[in-house]
Amino acid sequence: GEDVEQSLFLSVREGDSSVINCTYTDSSSTYLYWYKQEPGAGLQLLTYIFSNMDMKQDQRLTVLLNKKDKHLSLRIADTQTGDSAIYFCAEFSGGADGLTFGKGTHLIIQP
Amino acid sequence: DVKVTQSSRYLVKRTGEKVFLECVQDMDHENMFWYRQDPGLGLRLIYFSYDVKMKEKGDIPEGYSVSREKKERFSLILESASTNQTSMYLCASLGLGFTDTQYFGPGTRLTVL
Repeated sequence: GEDVEQSLFLSVREGDSSVINCTYTDSSSTYLYWYKQEPGAGLQLLTYIFSNMDMKQDQRLTVLLNKKDKHLSLRIADTQTGDSAIYFCAEFSGGADGLTFGKGTHLIIQP
Repeated sequence: DVKVTQSSRYLVKRTGEKVFLECVQDMDHENMFWYRQDPGLGLRLIYFSYDVKMKEKGDIPEGYSVSREKKERFSLILESASTNQTSMYLCASLGLGFTDTQYFGPGTRLTVL
């Protein structure tokens, strides 16, 4: 079956850039997503990228997609304490069972 | 804005009790999902539904059942709650169309004593 892999933890200093990486196996993925989950809350869609795009930028967020290597990354510029959360990578290939999620990356911000 | 609401944010039940978790979405989405989230295990799909009265098992359906009598409402039922069902439960909905994505509710943290 499809699989989405991401590191469990990432620690960065406040003000630095954070880069969260994700790999997936389904070559028929149509959309790839990044969700953010703050403590005690549900998942909030951060951004998504269509599979025929290489890059998408939205303010401090940059998504890079390498379709050949099936690698997705999320870069957060000027990381702030409010960015501390779990970030989930997900892919969608049109199946009725919805998105396939990674296990989430805990982003830890050090002062 | 899509809204997915869940009936409770926090719930405490005793072992053996029957538990209902309700989820309602207001965007006329065809697909609805129930996940549980546990530390180190990420999101695991319990059940999903692609139409009224239709349901499909996800990855971990044991100990759960679901009900979809109306398009906007998807209920997760624990027939006899057990301590290993203590978890965060997340509901999501998904419409049809290339720009749609899964929208999540705020989650229900269930503790079974």
